[in-house]
Amino acid sequence: GAGVSQSPRYKVAKRGQDVALRCDPISGHVSLFWYQQALGQGPEFLTYFQNEAQLDKSGLPSDRFFAERPEGSVSTLKIQRTQQEDSAVYLCASSRRTSGTETQYFGPGTRLLVL
Amino acid sequence: AQSVAQPEDQVNVAEGNPLTVKCTYSVSGNPYLFWYVQYPNRGLQFLLKYITGDNLVKGSYGFEAEFNKSQTSFHLKKPSALVSDSALYFCAVRDINTDKLIFGTGTRLQVFP
Repeated sequence: GAGVSQSPRYKVAKRGQDVALRCDPISGHVSLFWYQQALGQGPEFLTYFQNEAQLDKSGLPSDRFFAERPEGSVSTLKIQRTQQEDSAVYLCASSRRTSGTETQYFGPGTRLLVL
Repeated sequence: AQSVAQPEDQVNVAEGNPLTVKCTYSVSGNPYLFWYVQYPNRGLQFLLKYITGDNLVKGSYGFEAEFNKSQTSFHLKKPSALVSDSALYFCAVRDINTDKLIFGTGTRLQVFP
């Protein structure tokens, strides 16, 4: 079956530009997560949705980062006025329901390079 | 605060030999532990998880992991390594207050022919 998909796979932005990263979770998955993976590091949590509700955004590094999931399916992570330190791989994951035992399935990621 | 540690940046092993990738955890309460693998330019692929029950967990591609409560460890193992197992491996723990995963820094496994 179809897994989590993300687009674009690669994005080059000039410093100061706005970018939008898209995530299509596995169909029917209730929970959706965004993580940021810097070069040579493990993924770090950004934000979490249960259906359309954003339940935790404690990992968003600044108010330039904004995420939404208006219909409880596709999600968009937006970064305004990009900075060089935003360069990273942005990973999206989904899980069937909200439970600590559920497996999160990851997409291929979007590699963002800010010049 | 909950955390996991992967003490080895890189593990080298010859093809056909057993492999172990180490992970230790620090949590309050019952730990939910996960292993993921990442190939170049790919996302994370789920290998296995420990929730409760048998301390030896079997996962994908012949991998298994042993949960040891007294040593607070969750080491990943495989009896016979393949060159194609060469990748970056991440251990993670589920945060008890939210559903987010807390990852280790990763261990690069290199299997030599």
